[in-house]
Amino acid sequence: SQQGEEDPQALSIQEGENATMNCSYKTSINNLQWYRQNSGRGLVHLILIRSNEREKHSGRLRVTLDTSKKSSSLLITASRAADTASYFCATVYAGNNRKLIWGLGTSLAVNP
Amino acid sequence: DGGITQSPKYLFRKEGQNVTLSCEQNLNHDAMYWYRQDPGQGLRLIYYSQIVNDFQKGDIAEGYSVSREKKESFPLTVTSAQKNPTAFYLCASSIGQYNQPQHFGDGTRLSIL
Repeated sequence: SQQGEEDPQALSIQEGENATMNCSYKTSINNLQWYRQNSGRGLVHLILIRSNEREKHSGRLRVTLDTSKKSSSLLITASRAADTASYFCATVYAGNNRKLIWGLGTSLAVNP
Repeated sequence: DGGITQSPKYLFRKEGQNVTLSCEQNLNHDAMYWYRQDPGQGLRLIYYSQIVNDFQKGDIAEGYSVSREKKESFPLTVTSAQKNPTAFYLCASSIGQYNQPQHFGDGTRLSIL
């Protein structure tokens, strides 16, 4: 069963603009992770945010977590054409560390 | 460089045939996973292994089998019992705990002849 749901399903922006994508989940989590997947390739881990954290940064990436709303957002600032990819959130249930539960992903297109 | 190698990149299966997808890692990770990815869907877990000689079924294990005889290797066999095997298969690994970040190979795309 899918725990995370990304929103929007697809996003198209111009280079230099910011991109925001959201992830909602249903039950208490241990942590939430964001991954990127370029077309035809494997996934690459971007950021892990724990349930007791509210915000994390990595370069041009900013992730927030709101446990009261059971949601997270990924912000990519000053986007580049190379950011074009699908972005997935994955959650680990608080009571079950055995697997990640994956969302369906947001497809981001950054136009030059 | 450390990483995960999946082979082959493309694979074709004939009706009634079993095929094996290779996954090798040199990251010294204890845990390894197999996922299936279909268009428009997220990743679905087929099998996972936390330690050598031990593995567990995931959400969609029917028609698949695995082995974990070495820490570095976690091959997946798609058997003839899997009636809809056309998909993109991804292998991943992580350090010990399942809630740790996973490292992925570049996948194998399986198609039916």
